[in-house]
Amino acid sequence: GQQVMQIPQYQHVQEGEDFTTYCNSSTTLSNIQWYKQRPGGHPVFLIQLVKSGEVKKQKRLTFQFGEAKKNSSLHITATQTTDVGTYFCAGDNYGQNFVFGPGTRLSVLP
Amino acid sequence: GAVVSQHPSWVICKSGTSVKIECRSLDFQATTMFWYRQFPKQSLMLMATSNEGSKATYEQGVEKDKFLINHASLTLSTLTVTSAHPEDSSFYICSARDSGRGYEQYFGPGTRLTVT
Repeated sequence: GQQVMQIPQYQHVQEGEDFTTYCNSSTTLSNIQWYKQRPGGHPVFLIQLVKSGEVKKQKRLTFQFGEAKKNSSLHITATQTTDVGTYFCAGDNYGQNFVFGPGTRLSVLP
Repeated sequence: GAVVSQHPSWVICKSGTSVKIECRSLDFQATTMFWYRQFPKQSLMLMATSNEGSKATYEQGVEKDKFLINHASLTLSTLTVTSAHPEDSSFYICSARDSGRGYEQYFGPGTRLTVT
């Protein structure tokens, strides 16, 4: 079945440093979504990428979808303490499967 | 917009009893609702997908008779954990999708179930 992996599992950064998490799917995706879950909270939708090679930006966050539509990345520039949480990617396999990656837990030291 | 509520937010029950969890989309019609469970510090595991008015589609390894899902209307889905056991203790999260809005899922706040 479809598998979605994320690396790294954990990332500790100093406030102001950059952060990147990578997401890889075993199958080609119709779209990929990114979610953020704060400690004790529920996942909150960040963005959806649909097109091959797509790049989207949200303020300090940059999202990329690979050319083969099997991988994606989320990059945060100049992290802040408010960026703390777990970032999940979720791959949609043309409506057949919707699988969350294991997540990358980000901690930001002030 | 796009708010999803869950009730209860937490519940403690005894082994052998059944627990019902409600998931409501408050300001949109949810053509599809999803039920996940999440263990501490782990990812979300999809349990089942339900479309309004039809039977839920369960993921492999999820017992249909144990986790009863009903999606009776476009704004309400329920998950009933029957004959609960301590190993069923988990965080259950629902999400809803409005096909008119695309693929985005809107998550409820979750229900923490503890079975003693």
